[in-house]
Amino acid sequence: SQQGEEDPQALSIQEGENATMNCSYKTSINNLQWYRQNSGRGLVHLILIRSNEREKHSGRLRVTLDTSKKSSSLLITASRAADTASYFCATDRGSTLGRLYFGRGTQLTVWP
Amino acid sequence: NAGVMQNPRHLVRRRGQEARLRCSPMKGHSHVYWYRQLPEEGLKFMVYLQKENIIDESGMPKERFSAEFPKEGPSILRIQQVVRGDSAAYFCASSPEGNLYGYTFGSGTRLTVV
Repeated sequence: SQQGEEDPQALSIQEGENATMNCSYKTSINNLQWYRQNSGRGLVHLILIRSNEREKHSGRLRVTLDTSKKSSSLLITASRAADTASYFCATDRGSTLGRLYFGRGTQLTVWP
Repeated sequence: NAGVMQNPRHLVRRRGQEARLRCSPMKGHSHVYWYRQLPEEGLKFMVYLQKENIIDESGMPKERFSAEFPKEGPSILRIQQVVRGDSAAYFCASSPEGNLYGYTFGSGTRLTVV
């Protein structure tokens, strides 16, 4: 089963608006990561948040983690057309030496 | 630093042929992961390798699929006797130490079986 379920599946907004995507997971984790994938390309690592962190920022990105609810959110502020992509969360299911488990992603479309 | 290099970018094979997908990890990375992605879906884990060792192949179909990461050279994902259902994008990722710091992905190989 998928570890890391993003919602919404698709999000469409205007440039300048904020975009919020959510991710839920089922097991304990050491860290949770967010990736972006432009159409036809590989995934790009955006941000990693550890289980003992509650919030992390990187430029226009803000990630929160609530381990009690087993959920995370990715906020993109002041979105741009270039932010149009699929966004995936990934978890480690408690093992830092093993693989990452990806969700199905949120397709974000930002209209100019 | 060239990042993770995958080749070929596109591969067309007839049913029954063999497909070989190559991945050169980022310099300094000794952990390699292969994932498969179908249209409109997330990434499905296939195999995790370190140099000369398969660490986790629980996502790999038992038949026709194999992977290696030799001491010298790229990691190879091999699919024998391809079928139409093997058509997908195959991504390789590498990391310096498990998933502690995130993966670096290649641009993928798009396999089409005709």
